[in-house]
Amino acid sequence: DQQVKQNSPSLSVQEGRISILNCDYTNSMFDYFLWYKKYPAEGPTFLISISSIKDKNEDGRFTVFLNKSAKHLSLHIVPSQPGDSAVYFCAARTSGTYKYIFGTGTRLKVLA
Amino acid sequence: NAGVTQTPKFRVLKTGQSMTLLCAQDMNHEYMYWYRQDPGMGLRLIHYSVGEGTTAKGEVPDGYNVSRLKKQNFLLGLESAAPSQTSVYFCASSVQGFDNEQFFGPGTRLTVL
Repeated sequence: DQQVKQNSPSLSVQEGRISILNCDYTNSMFDYFLWYKKYPAEGPTFLISISSIKDKNEDGRFTVFLNKSAKHLSLHIVPSQPGDSAVYFCAARTSGTYKYIFGTGTRLKVLA
Repeated sequence: NAGVTQTPKFRVLKTGQSMTLLCAQDMNHEYMYWYRQDPGMGLRLIHYSVGEGTTAKGEVPDGYNVSRLKKQNFLLGLESAAPSQTSVYFCASSVQGFDNEQFFGPGTRLTVL
């Protein structure tokens, strides 16, 4: 049972436009969420996080939105750049536990 | 400052062989982790360590052992490799607990024939 789902395996966006990556979860006890970016042949790198007490967190071009009632998380990248082309993973965990549950990833391609 | 490094980068084993994957970090981080990534699946936690001399089981620990004899190193061992252990293995470290940003190594691609 996949508790964290990224239903879009891939996404293509024109340079300068907005990229929206989505993540759905089933466990209502999740209270902390992360986004990681991964380039080929490299390890994931942390991008942005959000706690369940917030509904938005912003860092430069990256904004994460959390809709707890819908159990939905989204990452917005504005404006998208070719260097943003990578695989993006969302991850979630429950307070007091050690374990992050990762989604399967979405491959973003930003077209120049 | 190399961050998190993993040795080796690639390895091919035959079923039943053993090997050790080495993870080293130079950031003085307390927590270290081993994950595996399989096609169509997210990263899954194998084992983790909250400090030198401590280890704990993660989500998928069977078939693996770990040791953290030195703060900067975290070893992952496969005593008798199986084809189901074919995967990409990532090591990570963080300052403290799981809420802190985890820094990942570049990965080790392991194939078990």
